Amino acid sequence: DAGVIQSPRHEVTEMGQEVTLRCKPISGHDYLFWYRQTMMRGLELLIYFNNNVPIDDSGMPEDRFSAKMPNASFSTLKIQPSEPRDSAVYFCASRAGGRTYEQYFGPGTRLTVT
Amino acid sequence: GIQVEQSPPDLILQEGANSTLRCNFSDSVNNLQWFHQNPWGQLINLFYIPSGTKQNGRLSATTVATERYSLLYISSSQTTDSGVYFCAVLRANFGNEKLTFGTGTRLTIIP
Repeated sequence: DAGVIQSPRHEVTEMGQEVTLRCKPISGHDYLFWYRQTMMRGLELLIYFNNNVPIDDSGMPEDRFSAKMPNASFSTLKIQPSEPRDSAVYFCASRAGGRTYEQYFGPGTRLTVT
Repeated sequence: GIQVEQSPPDLILQEGANSTLRCNFSDSVNNLQWFHQNPWGQLINLFYIPSGTKQNGRLSATTVATERYSLLYISSSQTTDSGVYFCAVLRANFGNEKLTFGTGTRLTIIP
């Protein structure tokens, strides 16, 4: 199993630009999560999907952030327009369905907005 | 929401030493995971342990759910064990999927 795959691993962009982060969950997993890690706030959940449907987006910081999951093997997190305070590491995670709650994390995307 | 406290916040040890990391949580949980975040930033799953005891090589973990704490033991530390260790819990609410992370224990192993 390849694990959770994220791309790009590093992204440097200028303020105001659109940024798209990508994630491929573990095959067969029903749940997909997007997290953000910052020094100030630690690791926090942004949004999660169950069977490609967004269930809870209460952690999305503002309307500039959006996430989609068009199929079971692909999800995107988009920031438009980006701001310097969006600089962080963004992790994608997935888990199988049922009552096994273990989440598996991807390697993360380090985003720097200048 | 659920509170997760980890101790100690920082730990510096000589190579070969043993260590115990603690995680206290404030409510019943469906999930408790231990992660190691290595110096490259990757989050490595160590244990999925909502209750009981598990061992994996030099690492072992115990969760006492009724007393709301978990312990991670690292024996014969190696420099590759350096990094931040996170405990994360999932409160036992129907439909809840929000994994709440502690603030971590930063472990530094000196050769």
